[in-house]
Amino acid sequence: GAGVSQSPSNKVTEKGKDVELRCDPISGHTALYWYRQSLGQGLEFLIYFQGNSAPDKSGLPSDRFSAERTGGSVSTLTIQRTQQEDSAVYLCASSLQAGGPYEQYFGPGTRLTVT
Amino acid sequence: DQQVKQNSPSLSVQEGRISILNCDYTNSMFDYFLWYKKYPAEGPTFLISISSIKDKNEDGRFTVFLNKSAKHLSLHIVPSQPGDSAVYFCAASALETSGSRLTFGEGTQLTVNP
Repeated sequence: GAGVSQSPSNKVTEKGKDVELRCDPISGHTALYWYRQSLGQGLEFLIYFQGNSAPDKSGLPSDRFSAERTGGSVSTLTIQRTQQEDSAVYLCASSLQAGGPYEQYFGPGTRLTVT
Repeated sequence: DQQVKQNSPSLSVQEGRISILNCDYTNSMFDYFLWYKKYPAEGPTFLISISSIKDKNEDGRFTVFLNKSAKHLSLHIVPSQPGDSAVYFCAASALETSGSRLTFGEGTQLTVNP
């Protein structure tokens, strides 16, 4: 079956512009997670959804970052007024359900470059 | 505060030998641990996991050991193959309190030489 898909695969934007990153989870997975990996860093948690609710937004680095999930499926991560420090690979993952011992399946990521 | 640490940024092993990757954690609430493999320009791929109620889990060439008292886990790959060359991430989760969000180590670059 289809895995987690993300779009775009690469995004170059100018500082100050807004960007939207999209994640399409595996069908039937109710939990969806966003992470990012900055250059030379490990993966950093941003936010997760169980269904359409986001119980934990604690990883969002600033109020310029927001995310939503509609219909329990596709999620969009929005970064407003992008800064150079936002440059990173943004990874989305999904799993059967949050709060259980289920592995998370990752998409290929969106490489964001802010110039 | 780095709650999951992989102290070896890189490891080089000869084909056919054992690869041992190590991971330490500090948060005693973690009760589920996973290893992921990552190739360049791809997302991480799940390898193997272990619950805190176990001390060993095996899947083919991959075995994960958990030492809760030492807050240490390791991934053994035997025999190692050149296709195993990738970055390996250790991850941990506190299932009931955090929605299974993963906390990752910094990764270890494994190179298996033919």
